[in-house]
Amino acid sequence: GAGVSQTPSNKVTEKGKYVELRCDPISGHTALYWYRQSLGQGPEFLIYFQGTGAADDSGLPNDRFFAVRPEGSVSTLKIQRTERGDSAVYLCASSLNFAGSYNEQFFGPGTRLTVL
Amino acid sequence: DQQVKQNSPSLSVQEGRISILNCDYTNSMFDYFLWYKKYPAEGPTFLISISSIKDKNEDGRFTVFLNKSAKHLSLHIVPSQPGDSAVYFCAASEKNTPLVFGKGTRLSVIA
Repeated sequence: GAGVSQTPSNKVTEKGKYVELRCDPISGHTALYWYRQSLGQGPEFLIYFQGTGAADDSGLPNDRFFAVRPEGSVSTLKIQRTERGDSAVYLCASSLNFAGSYNEQFFGPGTRLTVL
Repeated sequence: DQQVKQNSPSLSVQEGRISILNCDYTNSMFDYFLWYKKYPAEGPTFLISISSIKDKNEDGRFTVFLNKSAKHLSLHIVPSQPGDSAVYFCAASEKNTPLVFGKGTRLSVIA
């Protein structure tokens, strides 16, 4: 069975460029989360979706970051005008149902973003 | 301010002995706690969890203990095996909120 997949696995870009990171959750999982893990830190929450809507985007650091999940499955994290401080591993996770219960989050392998 | 703290960045244990990884939290509203294991170049993998209504949960070689009054939890691995060498993250949540992770502890099990 397929787990959570993320593409690309590595992305190197120049300061000021735009990047898109993609996440394919486990089929049937309605909840999808984006986290960012900087060197020496644990994953930090960015945004989560319940279905197509962003239920909580309080972790997005600023308005250069945006994420969509138009059909309730695949999600894209978009970063405009990248800065060197955006360099990190971006992790995506999905779970069966978020609201009202505890559900194990399954993580993808992450996308390592390097901004030069 | 870190709500979930793992104060030991690393731990080395002999194969066959017990590994004890510790985690402290500050938010008394947390009611669900998890441990994730991470190998290099892979995403975190769920290991074991515990609800705040319990003080112990066991799964094979892995046991998680929760002390709510001390806001402390620990993960015990016994016996430790070389394949257990990884980074272990403690995470916590309130119902309906995303996970809050600690910084992780790197466990090395020496053969």
